Amino acid sequence: KAGVTQTPRYLIKTRGQQVTLSCSPISGHRSVSWYQQTPGQGLQFLFEYFSETQRNKGNFPGRFSGRQFSNSRSEMNVSTLELGDSALYLCASVLTSGGTGELFFGEGSRLTVL
Amino acid sequence: AQSVTQLGSHVSVSEGALVLLRCNYSSSVPPYLFWYVQYPNQGLQLLLKYTTGATLVKGINGFEAEFKKSETSFHLTKPSAHMSDAAEYFCAVSPASGGSYIPTFGRGTSLIVHP
Repeated sequence: KAGVTQTPRYLIKTRGQQVTLSCSPISGHRSVSWYQQTPGQGLQFLFEYFSETQRNKGNFPGRFSGRQFSNSRSEMNVSTLELGDSALYLCASVLTSGGTGELFFGEGSRLTVL
Repeated sequence: AQSVTQLGSHVSVSEGALVLLRCNYSSSVPPYLFWYVQYPNQGLQLLLKYTTGATLVKGINGFEAEFKKSETSFHLTKPSAHMSDAAEYFCAVSPASGGSYIPTFGRGTSLIVHP
């Protein structure tokens, strides 16, 4: 069974630009969550999507948005990038039917904002 | 509401020594508890989890953790550290009911293993 796939793995942007990150969950997993990981703030929850609907949202500004497609693949977008957006962005999927809430993480997309 | 406290942002041990990483949680409902490990430049992967039943849980790579409800703790241990255990470890809690699968993570503990 293929794992969670995130693309791109690494990217460099400049302030003011926008970025789109992609996540393909494990087949059969309908819930996809996004996290931002930085040395200073640790692992912070961005949002969760289930059946194409945002079900939970963390405490991030509106520049951070996401969506989920009918095949459960998800994208997140960050607009008007700031230096502080430099981070590892992790996507995780979970089996919501018959599961115990275990998250399966991708390897992450490392964003550097210059 | 849930929260997780991991005592010590860094833990240093010698190879072959006991590993003990501490995790305390608070939860208003019965919890599911998890330990995840993150190796450099990788995502998190599950080490072990407690859902129901036996309170001593065994995971991968020789790690185990014990759920102690009275102490609201879920400490991670390994009898003998290997160099390959050097990584970041995260404790997490999620509600066992209520439909939300969003866990609350601790800040993480970096395990350093000396030869």
